[in-house]
Amino acid sequence: ETGVTQSPTHLIKTRGQQVTLRCSSQSGHNTVSWYQQALGQGPQFIFQYYREEENGRGNFPPRFSGLQFPNYSSELNVNALELDDSALYLCASSNDYEQYFGPGTRLTVT
Amino acid sequence: RKEVEQDPGPFNVPEGATVAFNCTYSNSASQSFFWYRQDCRKEPKLLMSVYSSGNEDGRFTAQLNRASQYISLLIRDSKLSDSATYLCVVNPPGRRALTFGSGTRLQVQP
Repeated sequence: ETGVTQSPTHLIKTRGQQVTLRCSSQSGHNTVSWYQQALGQGPQFIFQYYREEENGRGNFPPRFSGLQFPNYSSELNVNALELDDSALYLCASSNDYEQYFGPGTRLTVT
Repeated sequence: RKEVEQDPGPFNVPEGATVAFNCTYSNSASQSFFWYRQDCRKEPKLLMSVYSSGNEDGRFTAQLNRASQYISLLIRDSKLSDSATYLCVVNPPGRRALTFGSGTRLQVQP
């Protein structure tokens, strides 16, 4: 096991609502990255946090935002949910280029 | 053109067979390369990093060809437990985020 945990495991929300997903990184890792994986696709990079600062962002709109805390855990917030936001949300922790994933949160937007 | 391209498969092979996957990437300045394995509805797990000199881990061999911008994964003596989706992953220059291919599905049959 990687030691990366995520909560909740599953979530159902209605279009227009807001959601917060949480991730605890592996002990000793200072970087957390978030990815969105739609069915049948590879994970797509949302953004990365390094020592509490955003350290890169993919092609996702501003309604996707995040935080990293002093203990290096992280949150992903999505506002104004859309049907296309239904996906598996993965966080990965790292200290270098090898990233280790948590089990993911499966979000369904109805 | 996608940044990382893979044949989606599926590759259906008998137990004991040797199977090879290829992957091409578009950014010649990419720095780090990986193969991840993903089981159905689970998170991606790091299978191996890919080094310029090639590397082997048991039945798995990874090769990198920078001139042609492709990465390969060879699996020898396939086991039923090797059935999964194999994701080719590239680290683009200038950031620590990973770019994933869409994955190649392998089904090993008894």
